[in-house]
Amino acid sequence: EAQVTQNPRYLITVTGKKLTVTCSQNMNHEYMSWYRQDPGLGLRQIYYSMNVEVTDKGDVPEGYKVSRKEKRNFPLILESPSPNQTSLYFCASSWRHPVYEQYFGPGTRLTVT
Amino acid sequence: AQSVAQPEDQVNVAEGNPLTVKCTYSVSGNPYLFWYVQYPNRGLQFLLKYITGDNLVKGSYGFEAEFNKSQTSFHLKKPSALVSDSALYFCAVRDGGSSNTGKLIFGQGTTLQVKP
Repeated sequence: EAQVTQNPRYLITVTGKKLTVTCSQNMNHEYMSWYRQDPGLGLRQIYYSMNVEVTDKGDVPEGYKVSRKEKRNFPLILESPSPNQTSLYFCASSWRHPVYEQYFGPGTRLTVT
Repeated sequence: AQSVAQPEDQVNVAEGNPLTVKCTYSVSGNPYLFWYVQYPNRGLQFLLKYITGDNLVKGSYGFEAEFNKSQTSFHLKKPSALVSDSALYFCAVRDGGSSNTGKLIFGQGTTLQVKP
């Protein structure tokens, strides 16, 4: 089944404790992206990757890191999480770039206390 | 800078009636426009897109959207709403003038409530 998977689905952590949210797709897509969803603000793009080893900032990259060492994986790293990073996070992928339909993962709900 | 506005936080409609969810955009080049839907406790799903060509775009689940360049709008429509259409709808835009960018801007979302 074609899908984007994210782990963990739920995470409660404390300020400053480094964490990684994994994202993997099995569709051989070139393009991957991370978004956060907050009430009243919609979806905001954090980082995207046009292909392996190529990543770039979205609209809200501060406090986040990404890496794209292999085509299928695109982990999101929070080196020192803060409470304002409490949010619902989505990973997405598409064949080439976002002109093509994006497939979204199920989301990761992160709470930073 | 590109931007998207969805002027209504919530749209209420009776089942069987037509529905419209509004979206306006701002880009420097030609727009690539999208609608995505999010059902409760789910990820987003693609509904339809406009890249070029016919201004009326048809998509999944009977939805369609009309691109209006002069009004910079891309409203989502359906002739007859179903209760199962109740969900959160997002409009998104990519600036076609920036051919190498992977940036995609989403609106704040509109909750559609269809009542029996």
